[in-house]
Amino acid sequence: DAKTTQPTSMDCAEGRAANLPCNHSTISGNEYVYWYRQIHSQGPQYIIHGLKNNETNEMASLIITEDRKSSTLILPHATLRDTAVYYCIVRALGGSEKLVFGKGTKLTVNP
Amino acid sequence: EADIYQTPRYLVIGTGKKITLECSQTMGHDKMYWYQQDPGMELHLIHYSYGVNSTEKGDLSSESTVSRIRTEHFPLTLESARPSHTSQYLCASSDTNNYGYTFGSGTRLTVV
Repeated sequence: DAKTTQPTSMDCAEGRAANLPCNHSTISGNEYVYWYRQIHSQGPQYIIHGLKNNETNEMASLIITEDRKSSTLILPHATLRDTAVYYCIVRALGGSEKLVFGKGTKLTVNP
Repeated sequence: EADIYQTPRYLVIGTGKKITLECSQTMGHDKMYWYQQDPGMELHLIHYSYGVNSTEKGDLSSESTVSRIRTEHFPLTLESARPSHTSQYLCASSDTNNYGYTFGSGTRLTVV
C-alpha cells in the first residue's frame, strides 16, 4: 500500500472550514484514499473514501487531485467535537487486508 | 449505537494472570482485527482474521493469541500478563469489500 504524508498538527477556528491535506504521490491506479479520525483514544471512526472523483457525505468532503497524488479532507463547519487525530490511508479495495495507520494530523478546533 | 462491542472497557490485573479481551460484532462481517495502541502513539495491527477458523499475525509481534470460532466473536487472550502488555487494545471489523472498518471502543489494559 502507498505511503501517505500528512502535517503533524493543524489548528482551526470553530465554525470555519478545516482543510486537511494528504500527499500520496506513489498511489496506484486501483488504490483508494480513506480517511479516519480518532477522538481522544476512542476507536478510530471511518469518515469517507474515494478513488478519483470528489466525494461528499454527511461528515465531510474529499477532494482528490486529477493526478491523484494528493487529496484534501474538508470539514465544512468545524466544531469543538471535531478535535481529533485524522488519518489518511491509501489502500486497494479488497487488496491488502491490513489498514495501516500512520501518525496522522492532530486537528485542534479552537473556540 | 455500537455494532462492535469490546469488554471490559478498563482492566487492571496483576502480573502472571491469564486474561481474555472480548470482541463481538453484529454486522456479519467476515474480517476482524486487533490493534494495539500505546498512549499518544500509532495503532499497530497485532492479529487479523478472514473468517471462521482463520487467524493471522499482524505487523507488530504480540504474545497474545486469538481465536475465531464464530463469525461474530474474536477474543484475544494473554496467557500470562506482564507490565509490558499495558496498552489499549482496539478491535475492528470490515465487510468483504473492505469499504470501511468499524472499531470498538477499546479495552484499556493495565498490568501491575
